[in-house]
Order: sequence, then C-alpha cells, then structure tokens
Amino acid sequence: QVHLVQSGAEVKRPGASVKLSCKASGYIFTDYGIHWVRQAPGQGLEWIGWIHPGSAETRYSPKSQGRITIARDTSATSVYLDLNNLQTEDTAVYFCTREAPGSRNYDYWGQGSLVTVSS
Amino acid sequence: QPVVTQEPSLTVSPGGTVTLTCSSSIGAVTSDLSPNWFQQKPGQAPRPLIYYTSNKHSWTPARFSGSLLGDKAALTLSPVQPEDEADYYCLVFYGGRHQWVFGGGTKLTVL
Repeated sequence: QVHLVQSGAEVKRPGASVKLSCKASGYIFTDYGIHWVRQAPGQGLEWIGWIHPGSAETRYSPKSQGRITIARDTSATSVYLDLNNLQTEDTAVYFCTREAPGSRNYDYWGQGSLVTVSS
Repeated sequence: QPVVTQEPSLTVSPGGTVTLTCSSSIGAVTSDLSPNWFQQKPGQAPRPLIYYTSNKHSWTPARFSGSLLGDKAALTLSPVQPEDEADYYCLVFYGGRHQWVFGGGTKLTVL
C-alpha cells in the first residue's frame, strides 16, 4: 500500500526557515518523482518544485527558485522541502505527491503540512 | 511563466452535464502537455481524477471523462451528482521549460 506521510504543522516568524518532510512507503522510492504543491488559505494549488529521488535532479518554479531547496534521503525514503526567509505569504498547506514514471500521473498525495508564518 | 486558465465557477443541476476547460496562455493544450485533472473538497488533499488527457484512475467514477476540446483540455461530468460539488484543478506540464503549472481552479456548484 502506497503512503506519503508528511510532517506536522509549523508556526514560524517572518525571516525564519522551515523544513518539511514527506516519507514514502509501499513502492520503490527511487522510481517515482516527488512534487511539492502548496495552497494558501482560500487560494488555488501552486506547483513549487520536483525531485527525482533516483538521481536527485530537481526543478523549481521561477517564483520559488532561490527560496526553496528540495532534497531526498534514499535510506529514509523521504523527501524534504526547505523554505527559507519565510514571509507571511508563505502561509499555506504544503502537499507532496508522487509522479508515476513516464506517465505524468500524480496518483498519491500526502495529507498536507500547514505552515503558518506570523509575527 | 505560462498561465493556465479555468472557468472560476460553474453551476449545474443534479443529473445534468457540465464541461470544465483548461487553456494555456502560450498555445494549445495538447496531449504533449499531459493535462491532469484533480478534485478537491474543503480540508482535503486533491484527489486525482484524470491523467494524460483522458486516462482514469481506478477510483475515478465513470461519469468523469477527460478530452481535448479545440485548443483546450476538458473535463466532462455526466450525469452530475450532488457529491461532485467541489473545486477542480487542471495541471499541465511544459516539457521544454520543465515546469508544471496548475490552473486557477473551477468551483463547481451542484444546485
């Protein structure tokens, strides 16, 4: 059974950093890409980045480039999202989702991690 | 950065048919952009419905179908059920830019 289990909610001050995790199980971790998607309160979905756990290749949205880092630990079958210099507009639920190889099929999603940035 | 556009809101009666569309600011949405469709209800993670234009997941109800309509991707629901009231998002992949972009979402009301 495929599962993506994300880390818990975080509350941070502006300017701080946060590291979110997405632990995968039930499939071959290095075969499937992992995307991070966020959703600000009352807003739509926003793609922010991707990693291929097999190669560690990453891609980021132009808006996120330079402010986020996505990494993986194959021994822990986990992907991490680092966000730095947090601003209030980074307040959102962050989701991870896996992409099946070769099919652009985003079939399983984590439960989401709420990040609240407030002074 | 390309912009992907969806109808902000649509209203449909139970038992009716509704088509949601997804367009791109930089050209036609084709199968090369691998359009996906997701349903999201309040407080929940997105639920995948359609991948690669028209392929259904094992859990996707038969009343949902994906297609290309002119230069747009389309999601058709027929017959609509009350539980289909939700937000719907399309996602396209711009391979040349290696970028994924979501549409702004369509709020579907079943009334």
